Amino acid sequence: VQMVESGGVVVQPGGSLRLSCVASGFNFDHYTMHWVRQAPGKGLEWVSYVTGDSRGAYYADSVKGRFTISRDNNRYSLYLQMNSLRAEDTALYLCTRDTHMVYFDFWGPGTPVTVSS
Amino acid sequence: QSALSQPRSVSGSPGQSVAISCTGTNSDVGGYNYVSWYQHHPGKAPKVMIYDVTKRPSGVPGRFSGSKSGNTASLTISGLQAEDEADYYCCSYAGNSVIFGAGTRVTVL
Repeated sequence: VQMVESGGVVVQPGGSLRLSCVASGFNFDHYTMHWVRQAPGKGLEWVSYVTGDSRGAYYADSVKGRFTISRDNNRYSLYLQMNSLRAEDTALYLCTRDTHMVYFDFWGPGTPVTVSS
Repeated sequence: QSALSQPRSVSGSPGQSVAISCTGTNSDVGGYNYVSWYQHHPGKAPKVMIYDVTKRPSGVPGRFSGSKSGNTASLTISGLQAEDEADYYCCSYAGNSVIFGAGTRVTVL
């Protein structure tokens, strides 16, 4: 099992970014997938999750209306479209596999996002 | 969606036991038996130590155990070892939402 995130860059406040997470080694469409972030010097913060069939997508209040999670099961890929970015969105963004109700058994190494002018 | 409340730090000598509390509400910790605990060493991926409040994944040492009473979950490390020094986060399902704890730094003296 492996997951690798990409797409993190330095972006100006108000800008947009799309993160990707490519998975391998397991039946991707069988699993709910999450994005979790960690701001510098801070703790883990849940961002969003999407069910295996994409029928359910849910967000933390801090990103609701600005971020959109999606997935392409044919490409074994998870995405996070981030709009109207703010300085407080600066963080390492990690994707993780949910085996069973917040049982996150595998994680990617993360991709860093910096929102700064 | 405030973070679940955890002590900022706990410490103990090798061989001692330490417990980390994780306090939420009846909308998260108290409302579901879906609490997990993660060990996080800087620069590495978080590692699940407990799931479903009390279950231990294969490969996790038996000195790690979980429990819950009301709106508070707990992780106990019995027989502390040097490699247990890390940050620990609780995590709870909260009905189409997920909440992590603020994190606890465990120091082995």
